[in-house]
Amino acid sequence: KAGVTQTPRYLIKTRGQQVTLSCSPISGHRSVSWYQQTPGQGLQFLFEYFSETQRNKGNFPGRFSGRQFSNSRSEMNVSTLELGDSALYLCASSLGIMADGYTFGSGTRLTVV
Amino acid sequence: GENVEQHPSTLSVQEGDSAVIKCTYSDSASNYFPWYKQELGKGPQLIIDIRSNVGEKKDQRIAVTLNKTAKHFSLHITETQPEDSAVYFCAASTGAGGTSYGKLTFGQGTILTVHP
Repeated sequence: KAGVTQTPRYLIKTRGQQVTLSCSPISGHRSVSWYQQTPGQGLQFLFEYFSETQRNKGNFPGRFSGRQFSNSRSEMNVSTLELGDSALYLCASSLGIMADGYTFGSGTRLTVV
Repeated sequence: GENVEQHPSTLSVQEGDSAVIKCTYSDSASNYFPWYKQELGKGPQLIIDIRSNVGEKKDQRIAVTLNKTAKHFSLHITETQPEDSAVYFCAASTGAGGTSYGKLTFGQGTILTVHP
């Protein structure tokens, strides 16, 4: 059974650019969440989708956005990149509508220069 | 909002010893408490979880205990092995009781090192 797939694995962008990260959940999973992981702030919740609806959003600026498609695949977008956006971005999926049983992908390592 | 504190930040043990990591949470509405293990270059992996209607749960060498009154929960690893070396995160969620749905609030993590 394939796990959560995130692409690309590594990304280097310049300040001011925008970036789109992709997440393919485990087959059958309808809930997808995104987290930002940094050494200083740890794991922080970005947003969560279920059946194409954003149900919850973390405390991040409007430059961070996301969406979920009808096949449950999800993308997140960061516009006007800042140096502080450098982080590991993790996607997690689960079968149900709750936080239990989340399976994480290996993440996308974003470096902003 | 929810706040989760995790201690210690680093833990070093000898192979075969036990390891205990503790977390406290602030939101009394939290009802789901998972533990994740993260190895280098990988995403967090769920190793055990507990719901608020259960006081203890065990899975082979791993156990989790929950004290709702004190709002703290702990991870216990017995007979540690070198492959247990990783970063461990606790988390809390209010699930269906509030508006957090799929939101997990994580502790800061514990770097566990098991020496052969």
